[in-house]
Amino acid sequence: GESVGLHLPTLSVQEGDNSIINCAYSNSASDYFIWYKQESGKGPQFIIDIRSNMDKRQGQRVTVLLNKTVKHLSLQIAATQPGDSAVYFCAENGNSGTYKYIFGTGTRLKVLA
Amino acid sequence: DGGITQSPKYLFRKEGQNVTLSCEQNLNHDAMYWYRQDPGQGLRLIYYSQIVNDFQKGDIAEGYSVSREKKESFPLTVTSAQKNPTAFYLCASSPGQGETQYFGPGTRLLVL
Repeated sequence: GESVGLHLPTLSVQEGDNSIINCAYSNSASDYFIWYKQESGKGPQFIIDIRSNMDKRQGQRVTVLLNKTVKHLSLQIAATQPGDSAVYFCAENGNSGTYKYIFGTGTRLKVLA
Repeated sequence: DGGITQSPKYLFRKEGQNVTLSCEQNLNHDAMYWYRQDPGQGLRLIYYSQIVNDFQKGDIAEGYSVSREKKESFPLTVTSAQKNPTAFYLCASSPGQGETQYFGPGTRLLVL
């Protein structure tokens, strides 16, 4: 299948370990953030979101942390599985009141058996 | 089965040809978007539509055109004026302003 990003940073983790993927966002006015997962040749899939009035949100096996002071977002995946192998990227809404999102370039997660 | 569909999955364009990419959603979302994805880059917005019969240019609209005659449909035409059309094209929709965007499966456009 086609590669989403040929020169993306790569995180390699052992199956069963926890993964942490980081994202530095650009606009201090952003108040809504989304993490997406994209497998090769497919469209991005929503994983989890967080609003700026929170600093942590948990889903099934995933946790998003938001640090507004340093404009940093992270995605933690617990007990990483082979099916988690994909490109992960964050999105910020830039300026609430617009439809324009800003998307990161992504990190490739490789799960080692 | 609710969601966003895009067709075709692969599309080949000849020099000087206009091609149209289809995007349909049955989520009853007001807003729809077209993005272009190139290797190693973040998604770039081509056009978006907040409501039927209305659309705005995104960051890279040159060489593209859209229509929004129905709430469910937001087709994208890649015209011959787009000199570097080879890319993965993604359609998305959201319930409204500032809400989560959901993506379709994408169309890969290749130039013969």
